[in-house]
Amino acid sequence: EIVMTQSPATLSVSPGDTATLSCRASQSVSSNLAWYQQKPGQAPRLLIYGASTRATGVPARFSGSGSGTEFTLTISRLQSEDFAVYYCQQYNNWPLTFGQGTKVEIK
Amino acid sequence: QVQLVESGGGVVQPGRSLRLSCAASGFIFSSYGIHWVRQAPGKGLEWVAVIWYDGTEKYYADSVKGRFTISRDNSKSTLFLQMNSLRAEDTAVYYCARETYNSGWYVDYWGQGTLVTVSS
Repeated sequence: EIVMTQSPATLSVSPGDTATLSCRASQSVSSNLAWYQQKPGQAPRLLIYGASTRATGVPARFSGSGSGTEFTLTISRLQSEDFAVYYCQQYNNWPLTFGQGTKVEIK
Repeated sequence: QVQLVESGGGVVQPGRSLRLSCAASGFIFSSYGIHWVRQAPGKGLEWVAVIWYDGTEKYYADSVKGRFTISRDNSKSTLFLQMNSLRAEDTAVYYCARETYNSGWYVDYWGQGTLVTVSS
């Protein structure tokens, strides 16, 4: 099973600033990496697939990068609605595995 | 628009069974693989199972293999999860989620989830 490790666990950021979230895979997942956003009491929402492609309707301030084992989600010009938990997930191998999540909170 | 609506959750005693359903609309259900993913209270996401678009292939997480069965009825655009021999650690919100393909199979839409509580 591929282990996905996200860092940091919690990120305190001021509105308008940039947040950089990291995700590391225990072995290569190529570019088969997705990022999801989850707000309290809501289902996850797809943000990024293929490591760097924004899903339909996702604002351009969200960007993903990386391949192999190291991935980054960058959120520029943070807005109030961006404060949430973010999960990375690999879909290169069974079973699908998720990182433990990074909580982006208001500083 | 794509909609996935789970139902069937509730409180159940350890060792008992429960069957979850996921009603789909807004897309051609029979053309898509569907997953179950769960989230224990205050915890992260855990993949549970997947079924191919035509039901011919099914895969399970080790934690539920032999106890849970995923199935679908394409004529009714509905997905099921039969959960037997339930344990306290199965307590979670269960989401159904559609997968799609673009250089790889990934989950794009999620339902709102149904809560399963296993407790005596």
